[in-house]
Amino acid sequence: EAGVAQSPRYKIIEKRQSVAFWCNPISGHATLYWYQQILGQGPKLLIQFQNNGVVDDSQLPKDRFSAERLKGVDSTLKIQPAKLEDSAVYLCASSFGLKRENGYTFGSGTRLTVV
Amino acid sequence: LAKTTQPISMDSYEGQEVNITCSHNNIATNDYITWYQQFPSQGPRFIIQGYKTKVTNEVASLFIPADRKSSTLSLPRVSLSDTAVYYCLVGDADTGRRALTFGSGTRLQVQP
Repeated sequence: EAGVAQSPRYKIIEKRQSVAFWCNPISGHATLYWYQQILGQGPKLLIQFQNNGVVDDSQLPKDRFSAERLKGVDSTLKIQPAKLEDSAVYLCASSFGLKRENGYTFGSGTRLTVV
Repeated sequence: LAKTTQPISMDSYEGQEVNITCSHNNIATNDYITWYQQFPSQGPRFIIQGYKTKVTNEVASLFIPADRKSSTLSLPRVSLSDTAVYYCLVGDADTGRRALTFGSGTRLQVQP
């Protein structure tokens, strides 16, 4: 099966600019996650969707970050305006069914550099 | 959320068995234990998941004692390609509930 697709692979922007990341999960995976991974740290959950509804966005900085999952398939994560501390890899993951027997499948991520 | 504690780093040589232990003293009844592997410039990859006793797959074994307050990931006969960061996570297996929380992981370095 095809994996989780993310684009772009890399992005460099200036602070205060806006940026958007796209994720296409594995077909049939109802749950989708966005994680932020700062260099040297483990991934940190930003938002979790179940189909097109938000399950958890408690760690999403809502003053600048937004995410949507229209039609319960693809998802976009947006940052506006970006800050230097947003430099990180943004990982999208998806999982199938009600139980995580096979865990999450992650994409390769988008590496964001804010200068 | 159950917090996990694991060594920051470990070193090994090719062909050796590597055991990485994770402590999760406040694990809840519904929590499963999951291990992920992450290579540079890639997303984490699921390795193994268990609830109690021992689980084995083609990649690794997971040992969980009766009290479930710790777990040990065992990698048999490691190779250079096993050099990676390994994360231990504890959480509800129901995907509709709260997502898994990653710690800082254990950086495994395998040398020839």
